[in-house]
Amino acid sequence: EAQVTQNPRYLITVTGKKLTVTCSQNMNHEYMSWYRQDPGLGLRQIYYSMNVEVTDKGDVPEGYKVSRKEKRNFPLILESPSPNQTSLYFCASSTQGDGYTFGSGTRLTVV
Amino acid sequence: AQSVAQPEDQVNVAEGNPLTVKCTYSVSGNPYLFWYVQYPNRGLQFLLKYITGDNLVKGSYGFEAEFNKSQTSFHLKKPSALVSDSALYFCAVRDIGGQGFSFIFGKGTRLLVKP
Repeated sequence: EAQVTQNPRYLITVTGKKLTVTCSQNMNHEYMSWYRQDPGLGLRQIYYSMNVEVTDKGDVPEGYKVSRKEKRNFPLILESPSPNQTSLYFCASSTQGDGYTFGSGTRLTVV
Repeated sequence: AQSVAQPEDQVNVAEGNPLTVKCTYSVSGNPYLFWYVQYPNRGLQFLLKYITGDNLVKGSYGFEAEFNKSQTSFHLKKPSALVSDSALYFCAVRDIGGQGFSFIFGKGTRLLVKP
């Protein structure tokens, strides 16, 4: 089944403790992206990648890192999480000229 | 700058009545337009897209959308609403005229269908 898989689905962590949210797609898509969803703000892009080793900042990149060492994987790294990064995160992938396929989301709480 | 506007935070409609969820966009080149739906505790699911061709696009679950270039709109419609259509709907635009990969979402419209 074609899909984007994110892990974990739920995560509660403490301020400053590094964490990684994994994302993997099995559709051989070139483009991958991370979004965060907050009430009243909709979906905001954090980072995106156009291919292996090619990444760029989205609208809200501060406090996040990404890497794209393999085509299928696009992990999101929070080096020192803060409470304002409490949010619902989505990974998505796409081919050129098409829409996104989204993962099921990761609900992150930073206390 | 590119943007997508969904002017209504919430749309209320009675079951069986037609529904419309509005979307307008602003891009520098030719747009690819999309509608997604999000059910509680779920990811976004693709509903339909406009790339080129017929201005009326049909999608999943009986939804359709009409592309209007002069009004820069892409409203989502359904002839007869179901209670199960209640969800959060997002319009999105991808600008294919520029460099890079720009995919912008509206802030979402909550659809509430009452029995």
